[in-house]
Amino acid sequence: EVQLVESGGGLVQPGRSLRLSCAASGFTFDDYAMHWVRQAPGKGLEWVSGISWNSGSIGYADSVKGRFTISRDNAKNSLYLQMNSLRAEDTALYYCAKDPQGGTTVTYFDYWGQGTLVTVSS
Amino acid sequence: SYVLTQPPSVSVAPGKTARITCGGNNIGSKSVHWYQQKPGQAPVLVIYYDSDRPSGIPERFSGSNSGNTATLTISRVEAGDEADYYCQVWDSSSDVVFGGGTKLTVL
Repeated sequence: EVQLVESGGGLVQPGRSLRLSCAASGFTFDDYAMHWVRQAPGKGLEWVSGISWNSGSIGYADSVKGRFTISRDNAKNSLYLQMNSLRAEDTALYYCAKDPQGGTTVTYFDYWGQGTLVTVSS
Repeated sequence: SYVLTQPPSVSVAPGKTARITCGGNNIGSKSVHWYQQKPGQAPVLVIYYDSDRPSGIPERFSGSNSGNTATLTISRVEAGDEADYYCQVWDSSSDVVFGGGTKLTVL
């Protein structure tokens, strides 16, 4: 059974940093691209960032480019999101999501975690 | 940037057919994927590549895509289908694009 478990969320002041983690199990992690998708309270889904199976291809939404960094550790079956210079508009539930393919082009998201909540407020 | 337009809400009586649209410029040339999200839960993939169903998704869920509109169709709607539904595509200039979501209400 595929499992994606996010952690690392919390309350953080504007301008500060936070690092999210996603622990994956139930599939061969290093065969697949992985993504972060967020959802602001009461709002829709927004793709944040994605990384190919070997970290050779990485993409970011314009809203986070230059502030967020995605990475993965295939030996630890883990995905990360380093979030710097956080803003109030980054407040959201952050989901880890699996891509059914490994490569550079996003296809869709076949499995999702339950999310970790990030609240940016003073 | 590429934009996907969904109606904010759709209402349907139990046992009837619900159709949720997703509009986009020449969306028929793209692959469209659909997600169901129930309150307090993570999204679940219900249709991929326009009309394919993941294992475990009832046959009542189907999809189509042509021209400027993709459609998610739910036949014989049940109370348990009440949820938000999102369409999604990948676009070369915008990367991943989600529609704004449609709240399906079962009357």
